[in-house]
Amino acid sequence: NAGVTQTPKFRVLKTGQSMTLLCAQDMNHEYMYWYRQDPGMGLRLIHYSVGEGTTAKGEVPDGYNVSRLKKQNFLLGLESAAPSQTSVYFCASRASGRDNTGELFFGEGSRLTVL
Amino acid sequence: LAKTTQPISMDSYEGQEVNITCSHNNIATNDYITWYQQFPSQGPRFIIQGYKTKVTNEVASLFIPADRKSSTLSLPRVSLSDTAVYYCLVGDLRGVLTFGGGTRLMVKP
Repeated sequence: NAGVTQTPKFRVLKTGQSMTLLCAQDMNHEYMYWYRQDPGMGLRLIHYSVGEGTTAKGEVPDGYNVSRLKKQNFLLGLESAAPSQTSVYFCASRASGRDNTGELFFGEGSRLTVL
Repeated sequence: LAKTTQPISMDSYEGQEVNITCSHNNIATNDYITWYQQFPSQGPRFIIQGYKTKVTNEVASLFIPADRKSSTLSLPRVSLSDTAVYYCLVGDLRGVLTFGGGTRLMVKP
């Protein structure tokens, strides 16, 4: 049981480049989230999804786009990377309905550096 | 979303009991209180969740007074491996959960 898997785990980009982070979960969870964490700070919500085909903005959505074409996958895209987007990105998922205990399951994180 | 306030950092020694208090004065009726632990270079990990009174599991206890405006995470007999950042989250189980700055716990030998 892999849980929540993020790829890639490390990436270095140049300013202006684009990239996509992939989050995959095998727990059949409805809810999925993308957070970013800057050094010494707490996690901030970028975007989230409450089900396949739906997405919504979180606290810091600017500069990011997301897609949830399949229930198990949640993609985070950076169209034109900026140094301010240097951070560690965490994906999380949780169940809904009767299985919803509120617990978030996190991936191991993706460390992104924008030069 | 209910805002939470918790100490920025705490120090303790091995074998001691550690209590971390979180204030959430505007908690809503449907909100639950959840605590997460995060080690460096890892994603947060669920510790415990409660709605009111006391909840205990194999790693921690959560005390919630009747007015629910605060909560206390209690870690019994901490060890060096409990050094981590602890986050208090308050929210509806169906809604978005936001993280505050957390409490950095340093356990010393």
